[in-house]
Amino acid sequence: DAGVTQSPTHLIKTRGQQVTLRCSPKSGHDTVSWYQQALGQGPQFIFQYYEEEERQRGNFPDRFSGHQFPNYSSELNVNALLLGDSALYLCASSSPPTGRGSPLHFGNGTRLTVT
Amino acid sequence: AQSVTQLDSHVSVSEGTPVLLRCNYSSSYSPSLFWYVQHPNKGLQLLLKYTSAATLVKGINGFEAEFKKSETSFHLTKPSAHMSDAAEYFCVVSLYTGNQFYFGTGTSLTVIP
Repeated sequence: DAGVTQSPTHLIKTRGQQVTLRCSPKSGHDTVSWYQQALGQGPQFIFQYYEEEERQRGNFPDRFSGHQFPNYSSELNVNALLLGDSALYLCASSSPPTGRGSPLHFGNGTRLTVT
Repeated sequence: AQSVTQLDSHVSVSEGTPVLLRCNYSSSYSPSLFWYVQHPNKGLQLLLKYTSAATLVKGINGFEAEFKKSETSFHLTKPSAHMSDAAEYFCVVSLYTGNQFYFGTGTSLTVIP
């Protein structure tokens, strides 16, 4: 039973560029959330997708956008990259939509470095 | 409003001695609470969860946590630390609707041989 898978594992981009990160949820899950984890910090909620729509959004600018596909996989897009966007980006999946006691299942993340 | 406070940024214990990682929460509603562990350059793994059933929750790898409403605490404990327990630990709170999970800033656990 495959868990949450993310690609790529590492990525190096230049300021101003755009990046796309990908996530496949755990089998049986159809809700995907994205988190940004800066070095030495806890994960910060970016947004959550369910039924191909953004359901909730954290305090992130519009440069951060996403998409969910009919097979429940998801993409995170970041435009006009800033140095401060360097972080570990975590994808988490859960049962639809996370009800009481439904935990998040995380992938290993994508390490994005912006130079 | 809700938030999570992990009272110690770093904890160091000797192998074989007890572990205590402290977490306090604030929530306007009855929360769901979780502990996750993160090893270097890895994602987060669920250790245990509290969802208003038994207040003493047992998790994986010998960890357990006790929900104390009067103290708004959810401390993580283990009777005997193992070298493989060295990692970052996060306390997490979620509202009833569960659409957002709020993470503490993490506690780094070091286990001394």
